[in-house]
Amino acid sequence: DAKTTQPPSMDCAEGRAANLPCNHSTISGNEYVYWYRQIHSQGPQYIIHGLKNNETNEMASLIITEDRKSSTLILPHATLRDTAVYYCIVRVAGSNYQLIWGAGTKLIIKP
Amino acid sequence: SAVISQKPSRDICQRGTSLTIQCQVDSQVTMMFWYRQQPGQSLTLIATANQGSEATYESGFVIDKFPISRPNLTFSTLTVSNMSPEDSSIYLCSAERGVDYGYTFGSGTRLTVV
Repeated sequence: DAKTTQPPSMDCAEGRAANLPCNHSTISGNEYVYWYRQIHSQGPQYIIHGLKNNETNEMASLIITEDRKSSTLILPHATLRDTAVYYCIVRVAGSNYQLIWGAGTKLIIKP
Repeated sequence: SAVISQKPSRDICQRGTSLTIQCQVDSQVTMMFWYRQQPGQSLTLIATANQGSEATYESGFVIDKFPISRPNLTFSTLTVSNMSPEDSSIYLCSAERGVDYGYTFGSGTRLTVV
């Protein structure tokens, strides 16, 4: 079973910041938080990952709480093309560990 | 980062037949993963393919139904055998981009069995 809990759907206005929450209260000390998204009819796309520090890249920012039991993915200026299902996954880094996918959050960006 | 080419992108097949899906990675990767995604659902791992050894299948998936080949570090195939309409789904391959990085995915194969 997935170790994360996400809201099933969210709306956000175009141009605003989209904040997607994720709960992972049973996360282990060596597990990273990964975020992926899947735009309709495409394969999932890696967005960002982090262990305990906040992370930022060209796509998004990841804020992890100090106790690591939850995190928030931030898309700073959402566009219509950001409409997708966003998945939050926790796993140990390294190729021997599979990804366990939850249901994700369907993010709809509205004009 | 690794790029995966997956084909076919879609197919419509008769029940009882088999379809082989191919994934080509543009760099060497240790493990490749095969997923199934049924309409409106999340991804379910079918098996993990390691070069030089038999694939490891998840509960509910068996080698006779989903044989996998991994002849080298850049290529893998998944065959969906003796298909039924219940096999209609999207099939995805994946590989890790590198330690501490995320996975990259093929664009998926949309299979319809009639």
